[in-house]
Formats: sequence, structure tokens, C-alpha cells
Amino acid sequence: EAGVVQSPRYKIIEKKQPVAFWCNPISGHNTLYWYLQNLGQGPELLIRYENEEAVDDSQLPKDRFSAERLKGVDSTLKIQPAELGDSAVYLCASSLPGLADNEQFFGPGTRLTVL
Amino acid sequence: QKEVEQDPGPLSVPEGAIVSLNCTYSNSAFQYFMWYRQYSRKGPELLMYTYSSGNKEDGRFTAQVDKSSKYISLFIRDSQPSDSATYLCAMNYGGSQGNLIFGKGTKLSVKP
Repeated sequence: EAGVVQSPRYKIIEKKQPVAFWCNPISGHNTLYWYLQNLGQGPELLIRYENEEAVDDSQLPKDRFSAERLKGVDSTLKIQPAELGDSAVYLCASSLPGLADNEQFFGPGTRLTVL
Repeated sequence: QKEVEQDPGPLSVPEGAIVSLNCTYSNSAFQYFMWYRQYSRKGPELLMYTYSSGNKEDGRFTAQVDKSSKYISLFIRDSQPSDSATYLCAMNYGGSQGNLIFGKGTKLSVKP
């Protein structure tokens, strides 16, 4: 069974440029998460989807970040415009419906560098 | 004070040593406690999962939760070079709340 797929794996952009990350979750996983992981830190949740509905986006900086999950499968996370402090790894995870004891499976992440 | 505290290390041990990794937390409402392992340039993968207090053993790995002290531990017996990774503790509130709160992670290096 294929795991969570993310692309691109690496992205280098200049500040003020837009950037987008794509995630394809494990088949059948209705719950999808986007996490931000800074160097030397644990992942921090940005947004959680149940199917196509964003059920928790309280930690998403909505002035520059946006996300969508059309048709409740793939998801895209966008930053516009990017700032130097956005350099980090962006992780996507998926699970069966978001009950606390359902295992979250993580993708390899997209490593963003903003110059 | 962060909700979950974890010593970032780094921790270096010889092969075969017993490793002890720990986290403390402040919110007594946490119900589920996990340990994730993250290799360099990879996403985290679930290693152990415990509900409420108690011990859980899986091969060379043992997870302990002491809710009275708000303290969780992961023990690795007979450590191997392949155990070299960052170990992240994580916890959540239970029910339909699937959001995980992670510690910073402890970087472990097992030397042959």
C-alpha cells in the first residue's frame, strides 16, 4: 500500500514569492493534516480536514496561508507571499476518521527554504 | 511553559545500551500518549501508543505513562545503530480530537 505522497520534496524560493505544496493521502483516509516542523522542533498542526471540511484551522496564519481539499482526497497548502520565517518542513499526514486513537501516517515532507 | 516538554539531547550511547527517553506535560486532560521515530529527511512514524497510565511493551521497546506525575518514558533495550533517529513524544485529548501535541524530539545516536 502506498504511503502519504508529498511533492515537491524540496523547494527554494525568494521571499515574497508564492509557493504551493501538494499532498495525496493514503487511500480511504478521510482525515488529513498539515503540520509545520521547524528545525529542532516537533511538528505543529496547521489545519485538519475531515473529508473536504476544514474542522480545525485555528493555527493556520490566514493572512498568508491557505489550504484546500477539493473532493476530499488530495490537498494543497499555499503560502503567498512567503517570508524568511516560513523556511521549515511542511508535513502532511492522514488517518482514518479523526478519532484520537487512530494512527496518523506521515509523508516525507516538503522542505521549504525562503531566501 | 509549553504543554509538552522534551529534552532535545543529543543523546549518544554505545550499541547494546539501554536508552531512556522522557517527556513531561502540563495538561492532565491528555489521554493518549505516543512515541514517534523520525529518521533524517523522513516523516515521523508511530512506534508506540498507550492509552492512559500503564506500561506497554513491543520487542525491545517499552512505553510507560505515569499520569499522576504527568511523565512518560520510552525505554529501548539492546540499542542498535539502526535506532539512531529523533524520537518525538506526542499526546492528544481523546474522543474525536485527533490533533497531536508533540514534544521537541530527542536526537539519539547509537554508536557501533
